[in-house]
Amino acid sequence: SQQGEEDPQALSIQEGENATMNCSYKTSINNLQWYRQNSGRGLVHLILIRSNEREKHSGRLRVTLDTSKKSSSLLITASRAADTASYFCATGRALTFGSGTRLQVQP
Amino acid sequence: EAGVAQSPRYKIIEKRQSVAFWCNPISGHATLYWYQQILGQGPKLLIQFQNNGVVDDSQLPKDRFSAERLKGVDSTLKIQPAKLEDSAVYLCASSRTTSAEDTQYFGPGTRLTVL
Repeated sequence: SQQGEEDPQALSIQEGENATMNCSYKTSINNLQWYRQNSGRGLVHLILIRSNEREKHSGRLRVTLDTSKKSSSLLITASRAADTASYFCATGRALTFGSGTRLQVQP
Repeated sequence: EAGVAQSPRYKIIEKRQSVAFWCNPISGHATLYWYQQILGQGPKLLIQFQNNGVVDDSQLPKDRFSAERLKGVDSTLKIQPAKLEDSAVYLCASSRTTSAEDTQYFGPGTRLTVL
């Protein structure tokens, strides 16, 4: 079974709105990473948050981590059509991915 | 710097045939990974190399899948014989080290269709 599971499975929003995706995992972690995958392309690393961090920012991205609940969230602010992609959380040295959240940003 | 290169980008074969995929990682990256991504799912690690040695191949179906990285640079992944359930995108990734905090850089993948 996969370590991380994203929620929701699919999300459709309008350009300019914020998008929030959640990730739950099962075992203890040293860090958690978020990746983006555009249709038909490879994955692109977005951000890494360590287990001793609670929040991290990178541009329009904000990631939170709650190790007590074994969950993380990815917030994309002021979304753009180019943000349309699948987003995955991953843990472990050899990354274990969830099934992803498919984000559709309508122009 | 050049990214991770993979070829071919697409491959269609009949079941029971053989197929091979090639990956050239980013120059200087010691660690190379092969992932299988079935449609609608996240990538699943098949094998991890550190230079030319195998670090983890616990999820590689060894009765039909094999991989090598002979000179510690590029790598090939082979399936022989292929089954219908092997239809997937095969992603190669590389990182500088095996550290869990090292970013993995992914190639564009090879989309395999087994008929």
